[in-house]
Amino acid sequence: EDKVVQSPLSLVVHEGDTVTLNCSYEVTNFRSLLWYKQEKKAPTFLFMLTSSGIEKKSGRLSSILDKKELFSILNITATQTGDSAVYLCAVTSGGSYIPTFGRGTSLIVHP
Amino acid sequence: NAGVTQTPKFRVLKTGQSMTLLCAQDMNHEYMYWYRQDPGMGLRLIHYSVGEGTTAKGEVPDGYNVSRLKKQNFLLGLESAAPSQTSVYFCASSRRGGPGSPETQYFGPGTRLLVL
Repeated sequence: EDKVVQSPLSLVVHEGDTVTLNCSYEVTNFRSLLWYKQEKKAPTFLFMLTSSGIEKKSGRLSSILDKKELFSILNITATQTGDSAVYLCAVTSGGSYIPTFGRGTSLIVHP
Repeated sequence: NAGVTQTPKFRVLKTGQSMTLLCAQDMNHEYMYWYRQDPGMGLRLIHYSVGEGTTAKGEVPDGYNVSRLKKQNFLLGLESAAPSQTSVYFCASSRRGGPGSPETQYFGPGTRLLVL
């Protein structure tokens, strides 16, 4: 059974801080790892990672995958109150493309 | 494009009542999914479909049924609602995927269900 564990479960920071969110996984025949941001409603896609060591970047957000150690991190630099959300990590495996989600990390950024 | 839409947005049921949640997507996606989200539990897959006329069980299928008679629609049914089914339900869709193909899921806005 595929397993995705995110840490920490919650995090409270002040604007301007840098945060690192972690996602570790155990899957058979890993295919991809995905990060989503969920504010009030539906999750929205951030990154998909398939290759180890290649950083994906979008503005102040970046993510990297380590397939040897079976984890990924999501970094957010110079946090803003608009970064407050739940960040979800998911992995796909084998040929099914059906993702397994972690429980998410709740990030609160205070002004 | 409307993307993924869900009907209704909010519903209150009494224990034992039945209802159907409707999900529609206009992106011609092959895959569709139903999730439930409870506090601190992330997204848990109820059922999914890899194409018109096909459905499969996910992680938490008990108490739910689904149908995908048309490619663009995915229905989630509760035959006899229970308080444990109080949750927020999300529908999602994605392309089939493949080498080099993004497996991004597009989510609907969610349906909040309260079972008394």
